[in-house]
This record gives sequence, structure tokens and C-alpha cells, in this order.
Amino acid sequence: KAGVTQTPRYLIKTRGQQVTLSCSPISGHRSVSWYQQTPGQGLQFLFEYFSETQRNKGNFPGRFSGRQFSNSRSEMNVSTLELGDSALYLCASSSTGGSGELFFGEGSRLTVL
Amino acid sequence: AQRVTQPEKLLSVFKGAPVELKCNYSYSGSPELFWYVQYSRQRLQLLLRHISRESIKGFTADLNKGETSFHLKKPFAQEEDSAMYYCALSRMDSSYKLIFGSGTRLLVRP
Repeated sequence: KAGVTQTPRYLIKTRGQQVTLSCSPISGHRSVSWYQQTPGQGLQFLFEYFSETQRNKGNFPGRFSGRQFSNSRSEMNVSTLELGDSALYLCASSSTGGSGELFFGEGSRLTVL
Repeated sequence: AQRVTQPEKLLSVFKGAPVELKCNYSYSGSPELFWYVQYSRQRLQLLLRHISRESIKGFTADLNKGETSFHLKKPFAQEEDSAMYYCALSRMDSSYKLIFGSGTRLLVRP
């Protein structure tokens, strides 16, 4: 079974720009979660989608948004980038979400200049 | 608010020594606790979860609700255990998110 795939792996943006990150979950998994990982704040939950519905959202500003498509692929978008948005963005999929095991991707490393 | 605390950023032990990675949590309800591990150049992956009550790679963890702890233990550390370990909490009412601790880097010296 192919693992969780995230694209792009690395990207550099400047302040004020926007970015879209993509995540393809493991085949058959309907839940996709996103986490932001930084040295200072560690791993922080962004949001979770199941069958195209956002079921939970973390404490991030409205500039962070996401969506899930009918094939369970997910995208997250960050608008009006700030320097502090530089981070590793991890996507994880599971069959059910909730208390199920999460399978993580390798992450998309975003650098904002 | 829910919180997971891993007090040690780095734990260094010699091969064959016992290991205990500490994890404390704060949550008033019924939590589900996990340990995730990230080996060098690999993805974050589940090591074990408290409801399974199983031993994985020689590691065990017992949920102590009285002390609100979920420490990870292994009696004899191996060099291949060197990795970053994260304790995580999920609410049993299926809030569909994990709250992670800040992580502990375990270094097992030969």
C-alpha cells in the first residue's frame, strides 16, 4: 500500500503570498488531518476532514484553510503568508480519524522570506 | 484545556540500560494516549497506544490516571531505539485530533 504522499516537499515563499499544499491519503482512508510542526511550538493540530467535511479545527487564524475532495485527497491553503508560518506541515490519514492510528506523510517544508 | 508534557528534551543512556520517557497529561475526561516515534529520516509513526496494552519493540507504557501519566519504558535500550518520541492524547469522545507533547530525543550510546 502506498503511504501518505505530500506535495510539494519543499517550497519558498515571500511574505504576503499564499500557498497550497496537497496530501494524498492511503487508499481507503477517509480521514485526513493536518499538523504544523515548528521548533518552538512543536506539533499543533490544524484541522481534520472526513468525507469532505471538516470535523475539527485547531486554534489557527482564518488565513489557514483546507478542504477535502471526494477521492479523499486534501489541500490546505495559507493566505497572506507571515514569517511565522515557516514550518513543516504534516498530513496524516486514517481510516476513521478519532482515536484511530494516524499515518503521517513526510511533510511539506515551507519557508517564508 | 488538554495538555501533554514531556519534561525531558533529551535522554541519553547507554546500550543495555533501562529507559523511561516521561509523559504527563492534563485532561478531565477519559483520554486515549499514544506514543509516536520518528526515527532518523523516517516518518512519524505510531509506536503504541494505551488501549492495546501491548509491548512493541520491547517498549511498554501504562496509563496511570491517578498520576495522569503515560510513561514509556524499556528494560534494555538498544542503539536502534535512538529516535524522537512524542506522547500524544486524544479525547475518547472522538474529537478527531491529537494533542502532542514537545517530544523527547532518546540517544542510546554504544
